[in-house]
Amino acid sequence: ETGVTQSPTHLIKTRGQQVTLRCSSQSGHNTVSWYQQALGQGPQFIFQYYREEENGRGNFPPRFSGLQFPNYSSELNVNALELDDSALYLCASSSAAPDRGLWETQYFGPGTRLLVL
Amino acid sequence: SQQGEEDPQALSIQEGENATMNCSYKTSINNLQWYRQNSGRGLVHLILIRSNEREKHSGRLRVTLDTSKKSSSLLITASRAADTASYFCASSNYGQNFVFGPGTRLSVLP
Repeated sequence: ETGVTQSPTHLIKTRGQQVTLRCSSQSGHNTVSWYQQALGQGPQFIFQYYREEENGRGNFPPRFSGLQFPNYSSELNVNALELDDSALYLCASSSAAPDRGLWETQYFGPGTRLLVL
Repeated sequence: SQQGEEDPQALSIQEGENATMNCSYKTSINNLQWYRQNSGRGLVHLILIRSNEREKHSGRLRVTLDTSKKSSSLLITASRAADTASYFCASSNYGQNFVFGPGTRLSVLP
């Protein structure tokens, strides 16, 4: 167990709807990253939050947005869902000290499996 | 693209044999990590190797890193059926994002 939790575990939505996925980071971690993993592929980086601010973004459209809260929990929001958004969504937390160039191990949650019909 | 690559894509061995997986990446990194994933669940961190390290061990795992060739390898010795999983390498250039390869699917047959 990594101490990173995600909710819900499974979700079914229809095209055009909006979805919010939640992640609770491991205690003491100040950074959270979100990844999308399509079936049979490796995780693709969506974005990262460090101390409540976006700290990097992958090649995903603006309808993918996020938040990190003061307690370092996080949300991933996806608007106008498309069929290709069906995937496993993973969050990962880590402890970072960018002023010292330290970005440590990411610990992953179990994921939320989203199906868009 | 920064996408890394694992090689082979799939590997099938007998229990007790060693399994070797390779990973290549395209840009400079400060660390590289290996993860295991069982049946589409969350990723389990196995080992982290920094760019100034050449080899690390953890139990039955041995990881090497060759920054001149932009490659890494993961060796699992004396494999067990429970090692059946997908294995991913993830490279990082000061942590802003981890670039994962497509993974190696390892099957360990009893």
